[in-house]
Amino acid sequence: AQSVTQLDSQVPVFEEAPVELRCNYSSSVSVYLFWYVQYPNQGLQLLLKYLSGSTLVKGINGFEAEFNKSQTSFHLRKPSVHISDTAEYFCAVSDRGYQKVTFGIGTKLQVIP
Amino acid sequence: NAGVTQTPKFQVLKTGQSMTLQCAQDMNHNSMYWYRQDPGMGLRLIYYSASEGTTDKGEVPNGYNVSRLNKREFSLRLESAAPSQTSVYFCASSDPGTATEAFFGQGTRLTVV
Repeated sequence: AQSVTQLDSQVPVFEEAPVELRCNYSSSVSVYLFWYVQYPNQGLQLLLKYLSGSTLVKGINGFEAEFNKSQTSFHLRKPSVHISDTAEYFCAVSDRGYQKVTFGIGTKLQVIP
Repeated sequence: NAGVTQTPKFQVLKTGQSMTLQCAQDMNHNSMYWYRQDPGMGLRLIYYSASEGTTDKGEVPNGYNVSRLNKREFSLRLESAAPSQTSVYFCASSDPGTATEAFFGQGTRLTVV
């Protein structure tokens, strides 16, 4: 069985400050890892994904994440946030067969002007 | 290219009524999923279908049934709605063979009174 833990349910941060949203996972097999973003009243859209190769993954809107196998983590970072980044962010894990995707409970990022 | 289309977008049901949520994707994906999203609980998998003709239970299947009508369509049925099924429902699809991420519909906001 696989699981995802997002350590912070809400993260307030001032505009133009850096942010890190934390994600840890557990799985008995090799995994794919994802970060999704959900803007109010919308569906989820992909920010970035780790499938294999380089452990530093760059995504849309200036976000990046680093896969750390020894710590089973996949933290999301952005060096300077904008008001438009206010949204809920979900970390997700799937086994390499990708038959099921397990999501974390989400982290609400609130960017303060 | 519409992606994943869900209908309806909003629905209010009385306790005990039945309804079917419709989902269609036009990306030729093999796998399709139904999730529910509740505050503080992230997305929980209700049912998924790895391919046409197959369905499997997810984390929270009780009170729901699904039909994979063909490769494009995957419907979710509530036979006797309960207030505990008040939630936002998302359909998603993916193609495990190419390790693509899941693509989500815009969601159905269901209220059971």
